[in-house]
Amino acid sequence: EIVLTQSPGTLSLSPGERATLSCRASQSVSSSYLAWYQQKPGQAPRLLIYGASSRATGIPDRFSGSGSGTDFTLTISRLEPEDFAVYYCQQRKTFGQGTKLEIK
Amino acid sequence: QLQLQESGPGLVKPSETLSLTCTVSGGSISSSSYYWGWIRQPPGKGLEWIGSIYYSGSTYYNPSLKSRVTISVDTSKNQFSLKLSSVTAADTAVYYCASVTPLYYMDVWGKGTTVTVSS
Repeated sequence: EIVLTQSPGTLSLSPGERATLSCRASQSVSSSYLAWYQQKPGQAPRLLIYGASSRATGIPDRFSGSGSGTDFTLTISRLEPEDFAVYYCQQRKTFGQGTKLEIK
Repeated sequence: QLQLQESGPGLVKPSETLSLTCTVSGGSISSSSYYWGWIRQPPGKGLEWIGSIYYSGSTYYNPSLKSRVTISVDTSKNQFSLKLSSVTAADTAVYYCASVTPLYYMDVWGKGTTVTVSS
């Protein structure tokens, strides 16, 4: 069973800064199955990235995904106030434990 | 535009069966483009995949829950359902239904429904 480990657990940044979130798989996975979600308090997760690097419909281009094999990254180029949330990576039926992006 | 809505009791007693329904609107549950899935999130914790179903009835269940889970589909009502038996307090969570693509990512989610297991 593949385990996804996200780091850091919490990331404290200011609006306008660049955020880099990591998702590491316990064994090599196909990038086709790697997705990222954003979840705000009291809301359902929202799909951001699928296939490791494709943005979902309506997702701003400040969000980008990259990576292959065991190491994947979600980058937010310039943080907006609405970007502070919890982010999850997913590979098939497995989720990472999440990274909380908080305002510094 | 596809929309999903969960419904069912918000309180279930220990050892009983949790039953939830997801109603799909804005599209057909018989679409070959999607599977239909259930995901849950215990309070303050992360996401857990429960299982998924295709309109034909083929299912996948999380091995850790497999002995207690049944997911079914009713194409005439454009609904799919979750049953989780012998619940305990550990099953207290927000339960989401979602449309699942063949690449396993979930592009449309319901708003979620909170289920508390308590006597």
